[in-house]
Amino acid sequence: DAGVIQSPRHEVTEMGQEVTLRCKPISGHDYLFWYRQTMMRGLELLIYFNNNVPIDDSGMPEDRFSAKMPNASFSTLKIQPSEPRDSAVYFCASRPGRTRVQFFGPGTRLTVL
Amino acid sequence: AQTVTQSQPEMSVQEAETVTLSCTYDTSESDYYLFWYKQPPSRQMILVIRQEAYKQQNATENRFSVNFQKAAKSFSLKISDSQLGDAAMYFCAYRGPISNFGNEKLTFGTGTRLTIIP
Repeated sequence: DAGVIQSPRHEVTEMGQEVTLRCKPISGHDYLFWYRQTMMRGLELLIYFNNNVPIDDSGMPEDRFSAKMPNASFSTLKIQPSEPRDSAVYFCASRPGRTRVQFFGPGTRLTVL
Repeated sequence: AQTVTQSQPEMSVQEAETVTLSCTYDTSESDYYLFWYKQPPSRQMILVIRQEAYKQQNATENRFSVNFQKAAKSFSLKISDSQLGDAAMYFCAYRGPISNFGNEKLTFGTGTRLTIIP
């Protein structure tokens, strides 16, 4: 299995631009999670999906952030417009329904100038 | 709200020696899950070991074992025969009761950076 795939691995953009992060979960996993990691706040859950349906988006910082999961093999996290304080590493994780273990992707390092 | 505390920002150990990383947590629940994740310089978050709160037996995975003290809300990680590849940030994480649908959140500690001295 290829594991959770995220793209791009690195993204540098300018303030005000739209940023889209992509994630392909492990095949057969029912849950998909988006996390953000910063030095100040550590690892934070932003949103998660179960069977492509958003279940809890209480961690999404503000309306500039949105996430979608159009099918079981693809999810996006979009930031529009981006701000320098959005600079962080964004992780996608997935897990099968039968276990509680989340498997993480390699992360996307986002830098907003 | 649940909190996870890792009081050791940094630790170091000689190669082949044993090191223990500490983690405490706060919860009012009786059933929950605890995890240790490793984050090497590659940034990948890798599961090291997990423990179900209802199990009294401490989890073990090869050179990695935990000391789970439920009453004390303590969940330490012991790494035996440390290897250079063990160098990484280690995060302790808590997940709430399995009976609570929708309660999928992993609460992470701030991490412990482990250095292996050759």
